[in-house]
Amino acid sequence: SAVISQKPSRDICQRGTSLTIQCQVDSQVTMMFWYRQQPGQSLTLIATANQGSEATYESGFVIDKFPISRPNLTFSTLTVSNMSPEDSSIYLCSAVIAGGPDTQYFGPGTRLTVL
Amino acid sequence: ELKVEQNPLFLSMQEGKNYTIYCNYSTTSDRLYWYRQDPGKSLESLFVLLSNGAVKQEGRLMASLDTKARLSTLHITAAVHDLSATYFCAVYTDKLIFGTGTRLQVFP
Repeated sequence: SAVISQKPSRDICQRGTSLTIQCQVDSQVTMMFWYRQQPGQSLTLIATANQGSEATYESGFVIDKFPISRPNLTFSTLTVSNMSPEDSSIYLCSAVIAGGPDTQYFGPGTRLTVL
Repeated sequence: ELKVEQNPLFLSMQEGKNYTIYCNYSTTSDRLYWYRQDPGKSLESLFVLLSNGAVKQEGRLMASLDTKARLSTLHITAAVHDLSATYFCAVYTDKLIFGTGTRLQVFP
């Protein structure tokens, strides 16, 4: 398995501000992803974080709202921009480990509340 | 668009009983995952099923995959309180799509 850490673990933000979430994996990674999980709901894929190039976004998610960077194999950031209360959610980073079992591992999540 | 549905959405069961959670999906895939999520926690990988007819067991949980029927099951044997959690199936095509989740509550 792998250890995936996220910072911050939680935050309370004001409407109109932005928050950047960091994700660090302790192993070499082939793929990294960002998901959103609204309270009591399932997980929705936001985007695939591509190393050194623009992320691949899913329908309903756009780069201006959720810019993503992945400067190297094991680190990625997700920014939630111009936040509104509807962005209150848990944001999870996920990774597939190079040379490991064909499994996506998940970070502990960042619980975001927007007032 | 791939859809992944689980049933039941909520399951309350007595300790010692058996039950099955079903996961149906709408498109061809030969890779399916089961995850567990405890309240306020992240997801823990339980099983990876990689071929038709695959069966995996860990303790009181057993998962199977029928790719022709586009169906996976998670069978719980002699439930105990520690199994109380939300269980998700997730189907991989070119990305991992999660089911609706089944919230399991085991009571004495």
